[in-house]
Amino acid sequence: EVQLVESGGGLVQPGGSLRLSCAASGFTVSSNYMSWVRQAPGKGLEWVSVIYSGGSTYYADSVKGRFTISRDNSKNTLYLQMNSLRAEDTAVYYCARRLRSWGQGTLVTVSS
Amino acid sequence: DIQMTQSPSSLSASVGDRVTITCQASQDISNYLNWYQQKPGKAPKLLIYDASNLETGVPSRFSGSGSGTDFTFTISSLQPEDIATYYCQQYDNLPPWTFGQGTKVEIK
Repeated sequence: EVQLVESGGGLVQPGGSLRLSCAASGFTVSSNYMSWVRQAPGKGLEWVSVIYSGGSTYYADSVKGRFTISRDNSKNTLYLQMNSLRAEDTAVYYCARRLRSWGQGTLVTVSS
Repeated sequence: DIQMTQSPSSLSASVGDRVTITCQASQDISNYLNWYQQKPGKAPKLLIYDASNLETGVPSRFSGSGSGTDFTFTISSLQPEDIATYYCQQYDNLPPWTFGQGTKVEIK
């Protein structure tokens, strides 16, 4: 059974950093394209980033240069390193396998 | 970037009604379109992929159609458990990928 479990969310001050993790089971992260999608409180879904099986990465303009997607094949885990965080980055962050299977999400709150 | 225009933003219908949601892409995306259902406090759930293919385990009252720039999502007979917000998403070629604004479906 495919399972994705996000962690690492929390409260952080503007300008701070946070690293989200997405632990996968039931499949191999490195053999799939994996995405991060976020949802601000009361708002719609926003695609954030993707890493392909070959290692290519892409980002939404809103996070480019601040966020980095990566994976650890030995841990079968996806990451999102978030730097220079802003209030508008406040959201629930979901990881997804091939846009088909999604985790339960982790809340990131950027506030002083 | 490709923009997705989804309508309506909300709708109210009776149990058993046919419900239709549309999504228009700002350029040709072939059939690279997903439809998701999201219930409050839950992660999105994929219902339709490649514009018209029903994801495994999804009831057959859900369907999708279209290609190019114009797409339609239909619930043939609305059920109480279908109360949710529905989103389209394009995944044409290279990212960025974009979602529609969402359609909140309520029971009349």
